[in-house]
Amino acid sequence: EAGVTQFPSHSVIEKGQTVTLRCDPISGHDNLYWYRRVMGKEIKFLLHFVKESKQDESGMPNNRFLAERTGGTYSTLKVQPAELEDSGVYFCASSQLLNTEAFFGQGTRLTVV
Amino acid sequence: AQSVAQPEDQVNVAEGNPLTVKCTYSVSGNPYLFWYVQYPNRGLQFLLKYITGDNLVKGSYGFEAEFNKSQTSFHLKKPSALVSDSALYFCAVRDSNFNKFYFGSGTKLNVKP
Repeated sequence: EAGVTQFPSHSVIEKGQTVTLRCDPISGHDNLYWYRRVMGKEIKFLLHFVKESKQDESGMPNNRFLAERTGGTYSTLKVQPAELEDSGVYFCASSQLLNTEAFFGQGTRLTVV
Repeated sequence: AQSVAQPEDQVNVAEGNPLTVKCTYSVSGNPYLFWYVQYPNRGLQFLLKYITGDNLVKGSYGFEAEFNKSQTSFHLKKPSALVSDSALYFCAVRDSNFNKFYFGSGTKLNVKP
């Protein structure tokens, strides 16, 4: 069984550009999460999908961030326009049930220069 | 407010010695507690979890953790450390009233031969 996959693994973009991150969850997992770790700090919640619906997007930092999960399968996280403080590692995770562990992807390291 | 604290940025231990990585938490409902490990250039890997039942839980690679409700702690332990255990360890809590994970800032474990 394939795990959670994220693409790209690394991205370097200039301030003001647009970047789209993709996450493919484990098949059959309705719950999909996006997290971010900035500058070696704690891993912070961004948002949670249940199937194609946004269950909780309280962690999204501002309206430059847009997440979608069309059809309830893979998800994309778009940053437009990117700012320097958006640099960090973006993790995606999925889980089947709410009282179980989540499985994480390897992360996308985003560097905005 | 929900939060997780990992008071040590780094833990150093000699191979063969016991290790402890500390974690304390704060949640409003019943806690679901997790430990994850991140090896270099890899995603977060699930180690173990406490949902209910026995306070001492055993996980992957010989790790265990003890849930202490009165001290709101969930310290990670291993009786005999291996050099290959060197990695970044994250404690996480999921509030039973909410769906998202709250992570600590991570503890870097260094096991010296």
